[in-house]
Amino acid sequence: EVQLVESGGGLVQPGGSLRLSCAASGFTFSYHAMIWVRQAPGKGLEWVSYITSSRSTIYYTDSVKGRFTVSRDNAKNSLYLQMNSLRAEDTAVYYCARVTVTPYNWFDAWGQGTLVTVSS
Amino acid sequence: EIVLTQSPATLSLSPGERATLSCRASQSVSNYLAWYQHRPGQAPRLLIYDASNRATGIPARFSGNGSGTDFTLTISSLEPEDFAVYYCQQRSNWPPYTFGQGTKLEIK
Repeated sequence: EVQLVESGGGLVQPGGSLRLSCAASGFTFSYHAMIWVRQAPGKGLEWVSYITSSRSTIYYTDSVKGRFTVSRDNAKNSLYLQMNSLRAEDTAVYYCARVTVTPYNWFDAWGQGTLVTVSS
Repeated sequence: EIVLTQSPATLSLSPGERATLSCRASQSVSNYLAWYQHRPGQAPRLLIYDASNRATGIPARFSGNGSGTDFTLTISSLEPEDFAVYYCQQRSNWPPYTFGQGTKLEIK
């Protein structure tokens, strides 16, 4: 069974840092690109970041460029999101998701999310 | 950036009824559109990809249609577990991937 489990969320002050993790199981993690998506309270889904299986290509949404860093450890079947200089508007549930190979480039497995709250 | 606009924002129907959800793109996305179901507290689930293909394990009552800028998700006969929020998403011109704002399907 494909499983994605996020962790690392919590309460942090504005300007602070947090590192999210996503543990993958039930599939060959190293074959798939991965993404982070977030959902602010009462809002819809927003794509945050993308990383290819080999880490050769990385993308971010404009609002987090220069503050967030996505990474992965294929040996540990894990995806990470280092979040620095956090702002109130980063408050959201953060989901990791698997990017399909075939069919190409859809999100076919998701975790249940981890809540990040940025507040003083 | 391609903007996806979903309508209606909320749809109130009864089990057994037919649901039709719409998604309009600000420019053509060809058929590079997906639909996701999101129940509160759960992981989002891929329903439809490439506008009209059902994902693995998705019941036949879910169908997608459209191309270019106008798309629909139809649920032919609503089951109790279908009441959720539905999002469309495009990958035609990425990054960024973009999602619609969602349609909440609620029990009437």
